[in-house]
Amino acid sequence: EPEVTQTPSHQVTQMGQEVILRCVPISNHLYFYWYRQILGQKVEFLVSFYNNEISEKSEIFDDQFSVERPDGSNFTLKIRSTKLEDSAMYFCASSEATWGYQPQHFGDGTRLSIL
Amino acid sequence: TQLLEQSPQFLSIQEGENLTVYCNSSSVFSSLQWYRQEPGEGPVLLVTVVTGGEVKKLKRLTFQFGDARKDSSLHITAAQTGDTGLYLCAGDYGGGADGLTFGKGTHLIIQP
Repeated sequence: EPEVTQTPSHQVTQMGQEVILRCVPISNHLYFYWYRQILGQKVEFLVSFYNNEISEKSEIFDDQFSVERPDGSNFTLKIRSTKLEDSAMYFCASSEATWGYQPQHFGDGTRLSIL
Repeated sequence: TQLLEQSPQFLSIQEGENLTVYCNSSSVFSSLQWYRQEPGEGPVLLVTVVTGGEVKKLKRLTFQFGDARKDSSLHITAAQTGDTGLYLCAGDYGGGADGLTFGKGTHLIIQP
């Protein structure tokens, strides 16, 4: 069964450094998403992406964050200057673009630890 | 800001018992998903409900969407130890590329 894959599974970074999280969405999906989950808290929406541009973003997704689809398969989340509070699990998701509702399928996440 | 409340937050029952968990919002959903999340993994989709009053079954799991599309329930019949996990509901308030709003989840423990 097709799945969303994320790399790395765990990233440890010094505060202030840039980090790039990578995702390979399901191949025929056209909508891509990033979510985060701080330890012990609920999953929170960050941003959605369609047709090579951001469709929607939350208040969390400030100027430190950016997303990119650098080629036909990868979808990346960049945090420009990491802060301690960026430590969380980051989940990528994708959905198929069809008429009607398109459920989102999630990867297993990248655990980001900021020191 | 839409809020999605799940209850109970924690539930521990004996194997073989039945249980129901709830997901409620003050806003109308376009659709609602139930996910199951294991520690260290991403949410895994169980079901999507779209139509008010809709009922979907997945083996011993029955999912219901409220008539007004503001609430949903997950009922498990004859719970098994393998049902132990975190159950999340997530609502979509729009369409297309809208982000999902997640509840905090119900931590379910089925004791042998």
